[in-house]
Amino acid sequence: ETGVTQSPTHLIKTRGQQVTLRCSSQSGHNTVSWYQQALGQGPQFIFQYYREEENGRGNFPPRFSGLQFPNYSSELNVNALELDDSALYLCASSPGGEGAVEKLFFGSGTQLSVL
Amino acid sequence: GQQLNQSPQSMFIQEGEDVSMNCTSSSIFNTWLWYKQDPGEGPVLLIALYKAGELTSNGRLTAQFGITRKDSFLNISASIPSDVGIYFCAGQTTDSWGKLQFGAGTQVVVTP
Repeated sequence: ETGVTQSPTHLIKTRGQQVTLRCSSQSGHNTVSWYQQALGQGPQFIFQYYREEENGRGNFPPRFSGLQFPNYSSELNVNALELDDSALYLCASSPGGEGAVEKLFFGSGTQLSVL
Repeated sequence: GQQLNQSPQSMFIQEGEDVSMNCTSSSIFNTWLWYKQDPGEGPVLLIALYKAGELTSNGRLTAQFGITRKDSFLNISASIPSDVGIYFCAGQTTDSWGKLQFGAGTQVVVTP
């Protein structure tokens, strides 16, 4: 059984660029959530995908968007990057639809630096 | 921003000592979770709590779901060097299924 894998592990972009981060969910998990973790802070919920549909969104602007694919893997896209977007982006998968937060398994994250 | 207040922000303790940390919220939670995050890794679940007043242990870790449903506590007994890391509380409200709110974390440093 493979865990949650994220790619790339590190990424450097410049302000105004666009970025795509990828996540493969744990085997048997159909729900994927994305979190942003700024330095010295706890993770903040961006959005969740269940059965390829967005299923809840945190307080993030529309330039943060996502996709979930039929194999339950997911992408996080950020347009018009800003310096404050520099953070660790965590993907978490879980086996349920809504709820089952105790079954969330996190990947190791993608460290994004915006210069 | 963060809606959970987690304290203390950091702790420097000697091996063998007990550690206590807590989280308070302005909202009522139906689930409290405690995670540990090591450098370069994602958070790993330590304990999950589901009912007010619930007290749950996982080895040397004990956590409690506060009676008011707005707070939670984590205790680590007889700390060892591998307890070093950042501990996060997280909660879920009834109107935000599947969405966790995290505290800012407690950095634990254990010295021999």
